[in-house]
Amino acid sequence: SFELTQPPSVSVAPGQTARIPCSGDALPKRYFNWYQQKPGQAPLLLIYKDNERPSGIPERFSGSSSGATVTLTISGVQAEDEADYFCQSPHNSATSWVFGGGTKLTVL
Amino acid sequence: QVQLVESGGGLVKPGGSLRLSCAASGFTFSEYYMNWIRQAPGRGLEWIAHISSSGFIISYADSVRGRFTISRDNARNSLHLQMDSLRAEDTAVYYCVKDIEQLVVSAMDVWGQGTTVAVSS
Repeated sequence: SFELTQPPSVSVAPGQTARIPCSGDALPKRYFNWYQQKPGQAPLLLIYKDNERPSGIPERFSGSSSGATVTLTISGVQAEDEADYFCQSPHNSATSWVFGGGTKLTVL
Repeated sequence: QVQLVESGGGLVKPGGSLRLSCAASGFTFSEYYMNWIRQAPGRGLEWIAHISSSGFIISYADSVRGRFTISRDNARNSLHLQMDSLRAEDTAVYYCVKDIEQLVVSAMDVWGQGTTVAVSS
C-alpha cells in the first residue's frame, strides 16, 4: 500500500528555517499538499499542488520536491508556527487520499 | 463566510450506528467535492470518504468501505455520513472538509470544527 513517511519531530530556533520532509513511493508522479494543525484546532491548508499557497497563507511557507522527497519549508520560524504538520497526496488516480503520519515542529 | 458545521457525534456501543451531518454555508455547495476525514485521539489524519459535486462519484478508505455511507443533499447544502457496524477503532474526531477547487479533487481548504464519535461498551 502507498504510504507517506515524515519524521516525528523537528526542532528549530526562532528566526531560523525549518524543513519538514515527506517521502514515499513514485513521488515524481504525484502532487502534494501540506496542512498545519495546532492543538485543539482543525487542520489548516498551507500548500497545495506542491507549491501553491491559498489566500492568506504567508510567503514564508513554501513547498518543494527533490527526487523521492518533498519538503515543507518555513522561513523565519515564529513561535506561533509550533504545530503538527501533515503532508498529503492523492492515490489511485485521486480516488483516495493518503496522509503522512505528521511532524511536530518545536520552536526552541 | 465559508463555514462547515458538523453534528451527530456521540457515544455508541460496538456494532451500533450513527449518522453524522454537516451544514455548509457561504459557498456554492453543489460545485465542490466534499470529504470526511477523521483523527483518532493523539493520532494523525485519516481520509475516509469523498463525494463528487453531483454525488455520482464516491470513494471510501478500505477501513470503512462496506460499513460507512457518504451522501449529500445539494438542495439543503448538507453532507452526511451514515456509520454502521461501528468498532472501537472508529473512535475519533470526524471532520467535514471541502475541496479547494470547483468540480475536481485537489486539496482541502475548509474544515469544520469536528464532531466526536466514541465507540465503547
